[in-house]
Amino acid sequence: SQQGEEDPQALSIQEGENATMNCSYKTSINNLQWYRQNSGRGLVHLILIRSNEREKHSGRLRVTLDTSKKSSSLLITASRAADTASYFCATVLYSGGGADGLTFGKGTHLIIQP
Amino acid sequence: AAGVIQSPRHLIKEKRETATLKCYPIPRHDTVYWYQQGPGQDPQFLISFYEKMQSDKGSIPDRFSAQQFSDYHSELNMSSLELGDSALYFCASSLTTAGEEQFFGPGTRLTVL
Repeated sequence: SQQGEEDPQALSIQEGENATMNCSYKTSINNLQWYRQNSGRGLVHLILIRSNEREKHSGRLRVTLDTSKKSSSLLITASRAADTASYFCATVLYSGGGADGLTFGKGTHLIIQP
Repeated sequence: AAGVIQSPRHLIKEKRETATLKCYPIPRHDTVYWYQQGPGQDPQFLISFYEKMQSDKGSIPDRFSAQQFSDYHSELNMSSLELGDSALYFCASSLTTAGEEQFFGPGTRLTVL
């Protein structure tokens, strides 16, 4: 089963509005990351939040993490047409090893209407 | 800035054939990851290598194998290809092995006919 589940699966908003995407996961994590993927292209890392952090900002991005509810949210403020993409949360399970693979959620497809 | 390089970018194979995908990590990155993304699906982790040793293993089929070479580039070898292997295959690299940011390549689109 997927470690991360995201909602909504698709989101269409007007340019300038804020977009919020949510992600839930099932097991303890070391950190949670958000990635963006333009259609058929590689994934681009947006932001990482560690399990002992509750909120993090980067430019127009704001990420929250609630480990008690095993959930995270990504807020994109003042959206732009260029923000149109799929957004994935990805978790790294807590382990003593290294080079752990990311477990991705299903993704939210965000469309920004001009 | 240098990015992860993958080759080839597109590959078409017949069923039961073999394929080799190559990945060149960002210079000085010592960890390589492979992911498979089917149409409309999220990426699935296959395998990772740190300092040329296999580090973590995900949902990699037994028909697939991979290795990391002394120059840190990695190859994913896929045998007895099946129609269901048609997907985007991404390589990512990172500098640390502490679950930090992974830098993804542009992917290789494999089509099995």
